[in-house]
Amino acid sequence: VQLVDSGGGLVQPGRSLRLSCAASGFTFDDFAMHWVRQAPGKGLEWVAGISWNSGSIAYAHSLKGRFTISRDNAKNSVVLQMNSLRSEDTAVYFCARDSHSSVGAIGGYFAHWGQGTVVTVSS
Amino acid sequence: DIQMTQSPSSLSASVGDRVTITCRASQSIRTSLNWYQQKPGTAPKLLISFASTLQNGVPSRFSGSGSGTDFTLTITTVQPEDFATYFCQQSYSSQYTFGQGTKLEIK
Repeated sequence: VQLVDSGGGLVQPGRSLRLSCAASGFTFDDFAMHWVRQAPGKGLEWVAGISWNSGSIAYAHSLKGRFTISRDNAKNSVVLQMNSLRSEDTAVYFCARDSHSSVGAIGGYFAHWGQGTVVTVSS
Repeated sequence: DIQMTQSPSSLSASVGDRVTITCRASQSIRTSLNWYQQKPGTAPKLLISFASTLQNGVPSRFSGSGSGTDFTLTITTVQPEDFATYFCQQSYSSQYTFGQGTKLEIK
């Protein structure tokens, strides 16, 4: 199993950024996928999750609709579109694979993670 | 949202010590509780799922227990490679909340 995160960088407040996670080594459309972030020196914060067929999607309530998660099963990839970025969105963003196929399935766990991609929001 | 509270936030221990970290949920999550270990500059590593199921390859000195709202992670004999930060995570709701972390440091 391999997850490779990309797309991070330095962006000004109010702008947008698109993160990608390329998956390999497993049947991608058997699993839900998530994004988790970690601000500098802080703990882990779950950001968003998407079911195997995009039929169920969930977001952290704190994001207030600014982020959109999507997946392309033909390309084995998951994307996080981040709009109206704020300084508090500065973090390392990790994609992670759920143990289940659906978001919200009780008892899911994240056994596989990408290496993370750094997002810095600053003017 | 379900809140997860870990204690302590930091812990000093010597090699060979027994260490216990506690995680409390704001409502019952049955056994939908996972534990992760994270070392600086790396992604988290899953140690335990379903409150007490040790992942393949994780040393048996790690164990988890609890159900409902109160959970513990125990390291029976701390080894040098165990000094890291530990996070609990609930997967009872689709918000997948993490605890704030417990940093295990060398005394």
